[in-house]
Amino acid sequence: GAGVSQSPSNKVTEKGKDVELRCDPISGHTALYWYRQRLGQGLEFLIYFQGNSAPDKSGLPSDRFSAERTGESVSTLTIQRTQQEDSAVYLCASSSSGTDYTGELFFGEGSRLTVL
Amino acid sequence: KQEVTQIPAALSVPEGENLVLNCSFTDSAIYNLQWFRQDPGKGLTSLLLIQSSQREQTSGRLNASLDKSSGRSTLYIAASQPGDSATYLCAVKGGSYIPTFGRGTSLIVHP
Repeated sequence: GAGVSQSPSNKVTEKGKDVELRCDPISGHTALYWYRQRLGQGLEFLIYFQGNSAPDKSGLPSDRFSAERTGESVSTLTIQRTQQEDSAVYLCASSSSGTDYTGELFFGEGSRLTVL
Repeated sequence: KQEVTQIPAALSVPEGENLVLNCSFTDSAIYNLQWFRQDPGKGLTSLLLIQSSQREQTSGRLNASLDKSSGRSTLYIAASQPGDSATYLCAVKGGSYIPTFGRGTSLIVHP
Protein backbone atom coordinates (compact mmCIF):
# COMPACT_ATOMS: atom_id res chain seq x y z
CA GLY A 1 0.00 0.00 0.00
CA ALA A 2 0.89 3.65 -0.15
CA GLY A 3 1.45 3.94 3.58
CA VAL A 4 1.26 2.05 6.86
CA SER A 5 -2.34 1.14 7.58
CA GLN A 6 -3.71 0.39 11.04
CA SER A 7 -7.10 -0.86 12.16
CA PRO A 8 -9.27 -0.23 14.00
CA SER A 9 -8.60 3.49 14.37
CA ASN A 10 -10.61 3.50 17.60
CA LYS A 11 -11.53 0.67 19.94
CA VAL A 12 -13.52 0.90 23.15
CA THR A 13 -13.62 -2.25 25.23
CA GLU A 14 -14.53 -3.42 28.69
CA LYS A 15 -11.95 -4.40 31.25
CA GLY A 16 -11.09 -8.09 30.95
CA LYS A 17 -11.88 -8.42 27.24
CA ASP A 18 -9.30 -9.35 24.61
CA VAL A 19 -8.47 -7.00 21.73
CA GLU A 20 -6.63 -7.37 18.43
CA LEU A 21 -4.96 -4.51 16.63
CA ARG A 22 -3.81 -4.84 13.04
CA CYS A 23 -0.96 -3.25 11.11
CA ASP A 24 -0.43 -3.47 7.36
CA PRO A 25 3.10 -2.18 6.58
CA ILE A 26 4.35 -0.55 3.42
CA SER A 27 4.83 -3.19 0.74
CA GLY A 28 8.39 -4.53 0.72
CA HIS A 29 9.27 -3.25 4.19
CA THR A 30 11.00 -5.98 6.14
CA ALA A 31 11.09 -4.22 9.51
CA LEU A 32 7.99 -3.60 11.60
CA TYR A 33 7.71 -1.97 15.03
CA TRP A 34 4.94 -1.55 17.57
CA TYR A 35 5.00 1.37 20.02
CA ARG A 36 2.57 2.52 22.70
CA GLN A 37 1.84 6.16 23.49
CA ARG A 38 -0.10 6.92 26.64
CA LEU A 39 -1.82 10.27 26.93
CA GLY A 40 0.75 13.02 27.28
CA GLN A 41 3.63 10.53 27.28
CA GLY A 42 6.42 9.57 24.92
CA LEU A 43 6.61 6.54 22.64
CA GLU A 44 7.22 3.27 24.44
CA PHE A 45 8.74 0.43 22.37
CA LEU A 46 6.81 -2.86 22.46
CA ILE A 47 8.09 -5.30 19.81
CA TYR A 48 10.24 -5.38 16.65
CA PHE A 49 10.03 -7.77 13.69
CA GLN A 50 12.82 -8.05 11.12
CA GLY A 51 12.04 -10.31 8.16
CA ASN A 52 11.85 -13.94 9.23
CA SER A 53 14.09 -13.50 12.28
CA ALA A 54 12.80 -14.09 15.80
CA PRO A 55 11.12 -10.89 17.01
CA ASP A 56 12.58 -8.67 19.72
CA LYS A 57 9.89 -8.80 22.41
CA SER A 58 11.90 -6.98 25.05
CA GLY A 59 9.42 -4.08 25.29
CA LEU A 60 6.25 -6.06 25.93
CA PRO A 61 5.01 -4.96 29.39
CA SER A 62 3.42 -8.26 30.44
CA ASP A 63 2.51 -11.71 29.18
CA ARG A 64 -0.95 -10.38 28.35
CA PHE A 65 0.64 -8.75 25.31
CA SER A 66 1.63 -10.73 22.22
CA ALA A 67 2.21 -10.03 18.55
CA GLU A 68 2.52 -12.01 15.38
CA ARG A 69 3.76 -11.34 11.91
CA THR A 70 3.92 -13.78 9.02
CA GLY A 71 6.91 -13.07 6.82
CA GLU A 72 6.90 -9.47 5.67
CA SER A 73 3.15 -8.99 5.78
CA VAL A 74 0.49 -7.93 8.24
CA SER A 75 1.13 -7.89 11.98
CA THR A 76 -1.40 -8.35 14.77
CA LEU A 77 -0.93 -7.09 18.33
CA THR A 78 -3.12 -8.92 20.83
CA ILE A 79 -3.86 -7.74 24.35
CA GLN A 80 -5.56 -10.30 26.57
CA ARG A 81 -7.66 -9.49 29.64
CA THR A 82 -7.35 -5.76 29.06
CA GLN A 83 -6.79 -3.42 31.99
CA GLN A 84 -7.49 0.29 32.26
CA GLU A 85 -3.76 1.05 32.17
CA ASP A 86 -3.69 -0.46 28.66
CA SER A 87 -5.60 2.58 27.40
CA ALA A 88 -3.29 4.28 24.91
CA VAL A 89 -2.62 4.85 21.24
CA TYR A 90 -0.83 1.88 19.69
CA LEU A 91 1.39 2.94 16.81
CA CYS A 92 2.88 0.73 14.14
CA ALA A 93 5.86 1.67 11.99
CA SER A 94 7.74 0.00 9.16
CA SER A 95 11.02 0.56 7.36
CA SER A 96 12.77 -0.97 4.38
CA SER A 97 15.24 -2.64 6.70
CA GLY A 98 15.73 -2.49 10.42
CA THR A 99 19.35 -3.54 10.18
CA ASP A 100 20.19 -1.15 7.40
CA TYR A 101 21.19 2.21 8.83
CA THR A 102 19.52 3.97 5.92
CA GLY A 103 16.05 2.66 6.84
CA GLU A 104 13.60 5.55 7.25
CA LEU A 105 10.76 4.85 9.66
CA PHE A 106 7.15 5.41 8.53
CA PHE A 107 4.22 5.37 10.94
CA GLY A 108 0.54 4.55 10.67
CA GLU A 109 -2.17 6.74 12.17
CA GLY A 110 -2.43 4.53 15.24
CA SER A 111 -5.16 2.59 17.01
CA ARG A 112 -6.65 4.39 20.00
CA LEU A 113 -7.63 1.88 22.67
CA THR A 114 -9.92 2.84 25.55
CA VAL A 115 -10.53 0.30 28.30
CA LEU A 116 -13.56 1.08 30.46
CA LYS B 1 20.75 2.11 27.43
CA GLN B 2 20.16 4.97 25.03
CA GLU B 3 18.40 8.00 26.47
CA VAL B 4 17.05 10.82 24.31
CA THR B 5 16.22 14.26 25.70
CA GLN B 6 14.45 17.09 23.92
CA ILE B 7 14.63 20.70 25.00
CA PRO B 8 12.53 22.74 25.33
CA ALA B 9 9.47 20.66 26.22
CA ALA B 10 7.20 23.43 24.97
CA LEU B 11 7.60 26.56 22.90
CA SER B 12 5.21 29.34 21.91
CA VAL B 13 6.34 31.90 19.36
CA PRO B 14 4.85 34.52 17.04
CA GLU B 15 4.65 33.78 13.36
CA GLY B 16 7.78 34.51 11.36
CA GLU B 17 10.37 33.60 13.97
CA ASN B 18 13.26 31.27 13.26
CA LEU B 19 13.33 28.35 15.73
CA VAL B 20 15.82 25.84 17.05
CA LEU B 21 14.68 22.59 18.64
CA ASN B 22 17.24 20.46 20.44
CA CYS B 23 17.69 16.72 20.76
CA SER B 24 20.46 15.08 22.79
CA PHE B 25 21.35 11.41 23.19
CA THR B 26 23.64 9.56 25.56
CA ASP B 27 25.16 6.87 23.32
CA SER B 28 26.95 8.27 20.27
CA ALA B 29 27.16 4.87 18.52
CA ILE B 30 24.14 5.49 16.34
CA TYR B 31 23.14 4.51 12.82
CA ASN B 32 20.79 7.39 12.14
CA LEU B 33 18.61 10.08 13.68
CA GLN B 34 15.15 10.95 12.42
CA TRP B 35 12.92 13.97 13.11
CA PHE B 36 9.13 13.65 13.10
CA ARG B 37 6.13 15.87 13.65
CA GLN B 38 2.96 14.69 15.34
CA ASP B 39 -0.33 16.54 15.07
CA PRO B 40 -2.92 16.00 17.83
CA GLY B 41 -4.62 12.62 17.53
CA LYS B 42 -2.47 11.61 14.58
CA GLY B 43 0.47 9.37 13.84
CA LEU B 44 4.02 10.56 13.26
CA THR B 45 5.09 12.15 9.99
CA SER B 46 8.73 11.83 8.98
CA LEU B 47 10.48 15.16 8.39
CA LEU B 48 14.17 14.43 8.01
CA LEU B 49 16.51 11.45 8.33
CA ILE B 50 20.21 11.99 8.99
CA GLN B 51 22.62 9.09 8.58
CA SER B 52 25.47 8.73 11.06
CA SER B 53 27.97 9.75 8.38
CA GLN B 54 26.10 12.97 7.55
CA ARG B 55 26.22 16.35 9.26
CA GLU B 56 22.94 17.84 8.09
CA GLN B 57 19.84 17.45 5.96
CA THR B 58 17.53 20.08 4.53
CA SER B 59 13.94 20.05 3.35
CA GLY B 60 12.27 23.33 2.51
CA ARG B 61 12.27 25.54 5.62
CA LEU B 62 13.65 22.73 7.77
CA ASN B 63 17.29 22.00 8.44
CA ALA B 64 18.53 19.29 10.78
CA SER B 65 22.11 18.95 11.92
CA LEU B 66 23.88 16.09 13.67
CA ASP B 67 26.97 16.18 15.88
CA LYS B 68 27.40 12.54 16.75
CA SER B 69 30.48 13.00 18.93
CA SER B 70 28.70 15.39 21.26
CA GLY B 71 25.40 13.49 21.09
CA ARG B 72 23.36 16.36 19.73
CA SER B 73 21.00 17.21 16.91
CA THR B 74 19.15 20.41 16.19
CA LEU B 75 16.11 21.05 14.04
CA TYR B 76 16.03 24.54 12.61
CA ILE B 77 12.68 25.90 11.37
CA ALA B 78 12.92 29.06 9.32
CA ALA B 79 10.16 31.67 9.14
CA SER B 80 7.72 29.73 11.30
CA GLN B 81 4.03 29.58 10.34
CA PRO B 82 0.88 28.66 12.32
CA GLY B 83 0.74 25.42 10.30
CA ASP B 84 4.03 24.39 11.92
CA SER B 85 2.22 24.02 15.25
CA ALA B 86 2.67 20.40 16.33
CA THR B 87 4.81 18.21 18.54
CA TYR B 88 8.28 17.51 17.15
CA LEU B 89 10.03 14.29 18.10
CA CYS B 90 13.48 12.94 17.43
CA ALA B 91 14.37 9.26 17.30
CA VAL B 92 17.80 7.67 17.43
CA LYS B 93 18.58 4.24 16.02
CA GLY B 94 21.61 2.44 17.45
CA GLY B 95 22.98 -1.07 17.65
CA SER B 96 19.72 -2.63 18.83
CA TYR B 97 18.04 -1.42 15.60
CA ILE B 98 15.18 -0.16 17.75
CA PRO B 99 14.66 3.62 17.50
CA THR B 100 14.56 5.40 20.85
CA PHE B 101 12.35 8.47 21.03
CA GLY B 102 12.54 11.69 22.97
CA ARG B 103 9.46 13.10 24.72
CA GLY B 104 9.08 15.80 22.08
CA THR B 105 8.84 19.57 21.88
CA SER B 106 5.31 20.97 21.69
CA LEU B 107 5.36 23.98 19.38
CA ILE B 108 2.70 26.64 19.04
CA VAL B 109 3.11 29.34 16.40
CA HIS B 110 0.54 32.07 16.83
CA PRO B 111 -0.48 34.56 14.14
